[in-house]
Amino acid sequence: ETGVTQTPRHLVMGMTNKKSLKCEQHLGHNAMYWYKQSAKKPLELMFVYNFKEQTENNSVPSRFSPECPNSSHLFLHLHTLQPEDSALYLCASSQTPEKGNTEAFFGQGTRLTVV
Amino acid sequence: AQKITQTQPGMFVQEKEAVTLDCTYDTSDPSYGLFWYKQPSSGEMIFLIYQGSYDQQNATEGRYSLNFQKARKSANLVISASQLGDSAMYFCAMREGRSFGNEKLTFGTGTRLTIIP
Repeated sequence: ETGVTQTPRHLVMGMTNKKSLKCEQHLGHNAMYWYKQSAKKPLELMFVYNFKEQTENNSVPSRFSPECPNSSHLFLHLHTLQPEDSALYLCASSQTPEKGNTEAFFGQGTRLTVV
Repeated sequence: AQKITQTQPGMFVQEKEAVTLDCTYDTSDPSYGLFWYKQPSSGEMIFLIYQGSYDQQNATEGRYSLNFQKARKSANLVISASQLGDSAMYFCAMREGRSFGNEKLTFGTGTRLTIIP
């Protein structure tokens, strides 16, 4: 496999459930990101990890909990979500700036519906 | 203030014609990068083209070119000879600074491009 892979592609969960989104990149990148894409809104950056360390938390509610066990894997743990959290969640990875162009490569996203 | 502005929510273009998608940006950082991404209905964001703030020439990648006008803070995407497969959402994005740990991208609201046969 190459690129950025996200699982599951679709997820429906109740407000009391606990679930996790998974992201895996096979590009050798050092930075990984979670973005939220809601209808008719710009992509919102949620979290940034560089070399497994969290370097950005964009005022995300604590019901979203990221985990980055290594530079290739990123998780987003979800619990007690609200209906307004329904969105497309996109994972991305990139190389750090000193290594050249830093275009982010995205996965296909997880379409999350909270009922 | 919005950092990335895309004023065209939707565009319809005849197949084989050229199309220009508008993007203006706002930053006080002298070092920044501008990106264009394509998002088809499958959801994946596909990187198209990159322009650095210090690049002297406009970026080109195949049928894609970026009309970079630094003084006007605009970075329009030009697609030549449009194809049916170009129908998608297109997002302009900006990265400010080049320091470690500062690679986050700010996105515009996007333009939905529809190519008409």
